[in-house]
Amino acid sequence: EADIYQTPRYLVIGTGKKITLECSQTMGHDKMYWYQQDPGMELHLIHYSYGVNSTEKGDLSSESTVSRIRTEHFPLTLESARPSHTSQYLCASSELGGAGEQFFGPGTRLTVL
Amino acid sequence: QQQVKQSPQSLIVQKGGISIINCAYENTAFDYFPWYQQFPGKGPALLIAIRPDVSEKKEGRFTISFNKSAKQFSLHIMDSQPGDSATYFCATPPPGSARQLTFGSGTQLTVLP
Repeated sequence: EADIYQTPRYLVIGTGKKITLECSQTMGHDKMYWYQQDPGMELHLIHYSYGVNSTEKGDLSSESTVSRIRTEHFPLTLESARPSHTSQYLCASSELGGAGEQFFGPGTRLTVL
Repeated sequence: QQQVKQSPQSLIVQKGGISIINCAYENTAFDYFPWYQQFPGKGPALLIAIRPDVSEKKEGRFTISFNKSAKQFSLHIMDSQPGDSATYFCATPPPGSARQLTFGSGTQLTVLP
Protein backbone atom coordinates (compact mmCIF):
# COMPACT_ATOMS: atom_id res chain seq x y z
CA GLU A 1 0.00 0.00 0.00
CA ALA A 2 1.24 3.45 -0.94
CA ASP A 3 2.60 5.57 1.92
CA ILE A 4 0.84 8.79 1.14
CA TYR A 5 -1.46 10.39 3.65
CA GLN A 6 -4.08 13.09 3.53
CA THR A 7 -5.81 14.86 6.38
CA PRO A 8 -8.52 15.52 7.09
CA ARG A 9 -10.47 12.85 5.21
CA TYR A 10 -13.68 14.84 5.47
CA LEU A 11 -14.18 18.55 6.11
CA VAL A 12 -17.38 20.58 6.32
CA ILE A 13 -16.88 24.32 6.75
CA GLY A 14 -18.68 27.59 6.22
CA THR A 15 -18.12 30.09 3.44
CA GLY A 16 -15.21 32.46 3.90
CA LYS A 17 -13.11 30.19 6.10
CA LYS A 18 -9.44 29.57 5.42
CA ILE A 19 -8.52 25.92 5.14
CA THR A 20 -5.39 23.86 4.61
CA LEU A 21 -5.48 20.32 3.28
CA GLU A 22 -2.47 18.29 4.34
CA CYS A 23 -0.59 15.76 2.22
CA SER A 24 2.48 13.82 3.25
CA GLN A 25 4.41 10.97 1.66
CA THR A 26 7.16 8.78 3.07
CA MET A 27 8.48 7.40 -0.21
CA GLY A 28 11.00 10.17 -0.86
CA HIS A 29 9.30 11.13 -4.13
CA ASP A 30 10.33 14.41 -5.70
CA LYS A 31 7.12 14.92 -7.68
CA MET A 32 3.82 15.67 -5.99
CA TYR A 33 0.42 16.60 -7.37
CA TRP A 34 -2.99 17.88 -6.34
CA TYR A 35 -6.07 16.80 -8.28
CA GLN A 36 -9.67 17.93 -7.93
CA GLN A 37 -12.33 15.30 -8.59
CA ASP A 38 -16.09 15.19 -8.26
CA PRO A 39 -17.06 11.66 -7.10
CA GLY A 40 -16.42 9.11 -9.84
CA MET A 41 -15.68 11.83 -12.35
CA GLU A 42 -12.66 13.15 -14.22
CA LEU A 43 -9.39 13.96 -12.47
CA HIS A 44 -8.34 17.59 -12.88
CA LEU A 45 -4.72 18.52 -12.13
CA ILE A 46 -4.68 21.80 -10.18
CA HIS A 47 -1.09 21.96 -8.83
CA TYR A 48 2.15 20.04 -9.09
CA SER A 49 5.70 20.22 -7.81
CA TYR A 50 8.97 18.73 -9.01
CA GLY A 51 10.74 19.23 -5.70
CA VAL A 52 11.40 21.59 -2.81
CA ASN A 53 10.56 25.22 -3.64
CA SER A 54 9.05 24.16 -6.99
CA THR A 55 5.32 24.66 -7.60
CA GLU A 56 3.35 24.94 -10.83
CA LYS A 57 -0.30 25.43 -11.71
CA GLY A 58 -2.05 22.57 -13.42
CA ASP A 59 -4.56 22.38 -16.24
CA LEU A 60 -7.56 23.43 -14.15
CA SER A 61 -7.56 26.94 -12.80
CA SER A 62 -7.87 26.93 -9.04
CA GLU A 63 -8.06 29.61 -6.38
CA SER A 64 -6.03 27.42 -4.07
CA THR A 65 -2.31 27.77 -3.41
CA VAL A 66 0.36 25.23 -2.52
CA SER A 67 3.80 25.20 -0.96
CA ARG A 68 6.68 22.72 -0.96
CA ILE A 69 9.10 23.49 1.83
CA ARG A 70 9.91 19.87 2.58
CA THR A 71 10.13 16.96 0.16
CA GLU A 72 7.56 14.91 2.02
CA HIS A 73 4.96 17.64 2.57
CA PHE A 74 2.71 19.38 0.00
CA PRO A 75 -0.16 21.28 1.65
CA LEU A 76 -2.96 22.99 -0.27
CA THR A 77 -4.56 26.17 1.07
CA LEU A 78 -7.82 27.95 0.29
CA GLU A 79 -7.78 31.47 1.73
CA SER A 80 -11.55 31.94 1.54
CA ALA A 81 -13.61 28.84 0.87
CA ARG A 82 -16.76 29.05 -1.26
CA PRO A 83 -19.50 26.50 -2.09
CA SER A 84 -17.96 26.15 -5.59
CA HIS A 85 -14.88 24.63 -3.89
CA THR A 86 -16.94 21.66 -2.73
CA SER A 87 -15.22 18.60 -4.21
CA GLN A 88 -12.80 15.80 -3.49
CA TYR A 89 -9.11 16.71 -3.43
CA LEU A 90 -6.58 14.00 -4.18
CA CYS A 91 -2.86 14.22 -3.53
CA ALA A 92 -0.37 12.04 -5.42
CA SER A 93 3.37 11.55 -5.70
CA SER A 94 5.80 9.90 -8.09
CA GLU A 95 9.49 9.50 -8.73
CA LEU A 96 11.23 12.27 -10.64
CA GLY A 97 12.32 10.40 -13.76
CA GLY A 98 9.86 9.98 -16.63
CA ALA A 99 6.09 9.65 -16.33
CA GLY A 100 6.07 6.76 -13.90
CA GLU A 101 3.45 5.45 -11.53
CA GLN A 102 1.62 8.00 -9.45
CA PHE A 103 0.68 6.96 -5.92
CA PHE A 104 -2.52 8.54 -4.68
CA GLY A 105 -3.67 9.36 -1.20
CA PRO A 106 -7.21 8.53 -0.02
CA GLY A 107 -8.45 12.05 -0.69
CA THR A 108 -10.13 14.81 1.30
CA ARG A 109 -13.84 15.32 0.76
CA LEU A 110 -14.49 19.05 1.20
CA THR A 111 -17.96 20.52 1.63
CA VAL A 112 -18.36 24.29 1.86
CA LEU A 113 -21.73 25.43 3.11
CA GLN B 1 -2.99 20.36 -24.32
CA GLN B 2 -3.07 16.60 -24.61
CA GLN B 3 -6.45 15.10 -25.33
CA VAL B 4 -7.14 11.62 -24.04
CA LYS B 5 -10.56 10.35 -25.10
CA GLN B 6 -11.92 7.48 -23.06
CA SER B 7 -15.03 5.44 -23.78
CA PRO B 8 -17.55 4.34 -22.75
CA GLN B 9 -18.46 6.66 -19.89
CA SER B 10 -20.24 3.81 -18.13
CA LEU B 11 -20.41 0.08 -18.64
CA ILE B 12 -22.61 -2.63 -17.16
CA VAL B 13 -21.48 -6.24 -17.53
CA GLN B 14 -22.77 -9.53 -16.23
CA LYS B 15 -20.53 -11.57 -13.94
CA GLY B 16 -18.21 -13.69 -16.06
CA GLY B 17 -18.42 -11.39 -19.04
CA ILE B 18 -15.71 -9.36 -20.76
CA SER B 19 -15.37 -5.64 -20.01
CA ILE B 20 -13.65 -3.50 -22.64
CA ILE B 21 -12.65 0.14 -22.14
CA ASN B 22 -10.98 2.19 -24.85
CA CYS B 23 -8.69 5.19 -24.94
CA ALA B 24 -7.41 7.31 -27.81
CA TYR B 25 -4.69 9.92 -27.56
CA GLU B 26 -3.39 12.62 -29.88
CA ASN B 27 0.32 12.72 -29.22
CA THR B 28 2.58 11.70 -26.41
CA ALA B 29 6.09 12.57 -25.33
CA PHE B 30 6.72 9.20 -23.80
CA ASP B 31 5.66 5.67 -24.45
CA TYR B 32 3.91 4.80 -21.22
CA PHE B 33 0.25 3.91 -21.03
CA PRO B 34 -1.21 3.07 -17.61
CA TRP B 35 -4.67 2.19 -16.42
CA TYR B 36 -5.78 3.22 -12.94
CA GLN B 37 -8.60 1.70 -10.89
CA GLN B 38 -10.55 3.71 -8.33
CA PHE B 39 -13.02 2.36 -5.79
CA PRO B 40 -15.55 4.69 -4.11
CA GLY B 41 -13.97 6.67 -1.30
CA LYS B 42 -10.43 5.77 -2.35
CA GLY B 43 -7.73 7.34 -4.47
CA PRO B 44 -6.90 5.78 -7.85
CA ALA B 45 -4.31 3.01 -7.89
CA LEU B 46 -2.22 1.71 -10.78
CA LEU B 47 -3.80 -1.42 -12.22
CA ILE B 48 -1.64 -2.25 -15.22
CA ALA B 49 0.63 -0.35 -17.61
CA ILE B 50 2.29 -0.97 -20.96
CA ARG B 51 5.35 0.43 -22.71
CA PRO B 52 4.63 -0.27 -26.36
CA ASP B 53 7.63 -2.22 -27.36
CA VAL B 54 4.91 -4.87 -27.13
CA SER B 55 1.34 -4.72 -28.42
CA GLU B 56 -0.23 -6.51 -25.49
CA LYS B 57 0.38 -7.04 -21.79
CA LYS B 58 -1.55 -9.43 -19.60
CA GLU B 59 -1.71 -9.59 -15.83
CA GLY B 60 -4.18 -12.13 -14.55
CA ARG B 61 -7.62 -11.24 -15.87
CA PHE B 62 -6.50 -7.79 -17.03
CA THR B 63 -5.01 -7.15 -20.49
CA ILE B 64 -3.86 -3.98 -22.21
CA SER B 65 -3.91 -3.97 -26.00
CA PHE B 66 -1.97 -1.21 -27.73
CA ASN B 67 -2.24 0.03 -31.30
CA LYS B 68 0.49 2.60 -31.86
CA SER B 69 -0.44 3.47 -35.45
CA ALA B 70 -4.03 4.17 -34.43
CA LYS B 71 -2.94 5.90 -31.19
CA GLN B 72 -5.33 3.75 -29.22
CA PHE B 73 -5.06 1.42 -26.25
CA SER B 74 -7.68 -0.59 -24.45
CA LEU B 75 -8.25 -2.45 -21.21
CA HIS B 76 -9.87 -5.88 -21.30
CA ILE B 77 -11.18 -7.48 -18.11
CA MET B 78 -11.85 -11.17 -18.63
CA ASP B 79 -14.27 -13.11 -16.42
CA SER B 80 -15.48 -9.83 -14.85
CA GLN B 81 -16.39 -10.05 -11.17
CA PRO B 82 -18.58 -7.82 -8.95
CA GLY B 83 -15.38 -6.83 -7.12
CA ASP B 84 -14.14 -5.26 -10.34
CA SER B 85 -16.91 -2.65 -10.09
CA ALA B 86 -14.99 0.63 -9.96
CA THR B 87 -14.04 3.63 -12.06
CA TYR B 88 -11.21 3.08 -14.51
CA PHE B 89 -8.95 5.80 -15.90
CA CYS B 90 -6.49 5.60 -18.75
CA ALA B 91 -3.58 8.06 -18.83
CA THR B 92 -0.68 9.14 -20.96
CA PRO B 93 2.02 11.79 -20.75
CA PRO B 94 1.22 14.92 -22.78
CA PRO B 95 3.46 16.08 -25.62
CA GLY B 96 6.31 18.32 -24.51
CA SER B 97 6.52 16.79 -21.08
CA ALA B 98 7.32 13.32 -19.90
CA ARG B 99 6.95 14.31 -16.28
CA GLN B 100 3.20 14.15 -15.66
CA LEU B 101 0.10 12.35 -16.85
CA THR B 102 -3.10 13.42 -18.54
CA PHE B 103 -6.00 11.24 -17.42
CA GLY B 104 -9.01 10.17 -19.43
CA SER B 105 -12.49 11.09 -18.26
CA GLY B 106 -13.08 7.74 -16.56
CA THR B 107 -15.37 4.74 -17.08
CA GLN B 108 -17.70 3.59 -14.34
CA LEU B 109 -17.85 -0.20 -14.52
CA THR B 110 -20.62 -2.13 -12.82
CA VAL B 111 -20.45 -5.92 -12.80
CA LEU B 112 -23.77 -7.49 -11.95
CA PRO B 113 -23.78 -10.67 -9.82
